[in-house]
Amino acid sequence: DTGVSQNPRHKITKRGQNVTFRCDPISEHNRLYWYRQTLGQGPEFLTYFQNEAQLEKSRLLSDRFSAERPKGSFSTLEIQRTEQGDSAMYLCASSSGQGSTGELFFGEGSRLTVL
Amino acid sequence: AQKITQTQPGMFVQEKEAVTLDCTYDTSDPSYGLFWYKQPSSGEMIFLIYQGSYDQQNATEGRYSLNFQKARKSANLVISASQLGDSAMYFCAMREGGRNEKLTFGTGTRLTIIP
Repeated sequence: DTGVSQNPRHKITKRGQNVTFRCDPISEHNRLYWYRQTLGQGPEFLTYFQNEAQLEKSRLLSDRFSAERPKGSFSTLEIQRTEQGDSAMYLCASSSGQGSTGELFFGEGSRLTVL
Repeated sequence: AQKITQTQPGMFVQEKEAVTLDCTYDTSDPSYGLFWYKQPSSGEMIFLIYQGSYDQQNATEGRYSLNFQKARKSANLVISASQLGDSAMYFCAMREGGRNEKLTFGTGTRLTIIP
């Protein structure tokens, strides 16, 4: 088990460009979460999938943001027409929903810098 | 109102001493879970310990223990015999309702262990 994998780890882009991040969860986990973390803050919830179904989206997820999990395995988070305020670390997490705690397992994140 | 409050932005502790990181929470849901995560400079969030709202005993995991005071709505993390490798950001988080719900994080405490 290799844990949660995120790519790319770092992305620098110019304002107005589109970017896409990929997350590969732990293989047996059917739940997948996206969080955003800005400097000096804790992670903020963006969206959540159970298998391929997107069950919840935060108000933070504007119409420029879209997330998919087409086959219930990996997920992508796309940001269209990036703005400087989108600069942040984008964290992906997965869980099996089983066990006594249901803790989330996080990847190392994808850091976005918008110039 | 903030759901998770961590009032200590930073703490410095001598190696081998114990340290307590404060966390208070706000919820009206009788079923909730409290988590502590460690985030080293690499960026990955590492799960440390979990306390359920109905758990009678305070949670312990190795050198980590959770001082759960339900009436005061506090869930402080205690690290015994601190080590240099404990230097990191520490986040308290809460899940309200069922096991599959999202986590809400506090703003974190940066812990620095002094040799």
